[in-house]
Amino acid sequence: NAGVMQNPRHLVRRRGQEARLRCSPMKGHSHVYWYRQLPEEGLKFMVYLQKENIIDESGMPKERFSAEFPKEGPSILRIQQVVRGDSAAYFCASSLWTGGARETQYFGPGTRLLVL
Amino acid sequence: GENVEQHPSTLSVQEGDSAVIKCTYSDSASNYFPWYKQELGKRPQLIIDIRSNVGEKKDQRIAVTLNKTAKHFSLHITETQPEDSAVYFCAASGPSGGSNYKLTFGKGTLLTVNP
Repeated sequence: NAGVMQNPRHLVRRRGQEARLRCSPMKGHSHVYWYRQLPEEGLKFMVYLQKENIIDESGMPKERFSAEFPKEGPSILRIQQVVRGDSAAYFCASSLWTGGARETQYFGPGTRLLVL
Repeated sequence: GENVEQHPSTLSVQEGDSAVIKCTYSDSASNYFPWYKQELGKRPQLIIDIRSNVGEKKDQRIAVTLNKTAKHFSLHITETQPEDSAVYFCAASGPSGGSNYKLTFGKGTLLTVNP
């Protein structure tokens, strides 16, 4: 099992550009979560998706940020018109849902976004 | 919403000593408390978790205790080794049927184990 994959691992963008972060969940996992980690801070929840559905986007800024998890392919976190404050590490996690039981979230290696 | 406080922010111990990291949470409905270890530049990795129906859980040199009344939980690492050096994060999430998927993290503890 390859684990949660994220790419790119590092991304440099200039202010105003778009950033696209990709996450491939663990094999068999259909639940994806995105978290943001600012320097010397804990991870903060952004959005929870299942295949083709956004379940909870309460932690994601309403402007410039969007996320999707299509039927085929990776989950994408998209940041439009990036600003310096978007510089952070973005982590994706996935879990295997088994009815009412909560499953462990397994994290990917993260994408470190730097906005110049 | 849930708020998780973690202390201390840095902890330095000698190899072989024990390390204790403490977290408090605000939402009495939270019932799942994982601990993650993150080495520099690496992904957070789950090291142990506890659910609110138990008060203590052990896995070799690592143990977690939970006090639901006081709303705090702690990570205990015994016989520390240099490879235990990392940032440790506690987290909490709510009950089934609610936002039980949303992990709220503490700010982390940088543990340094000196040889």
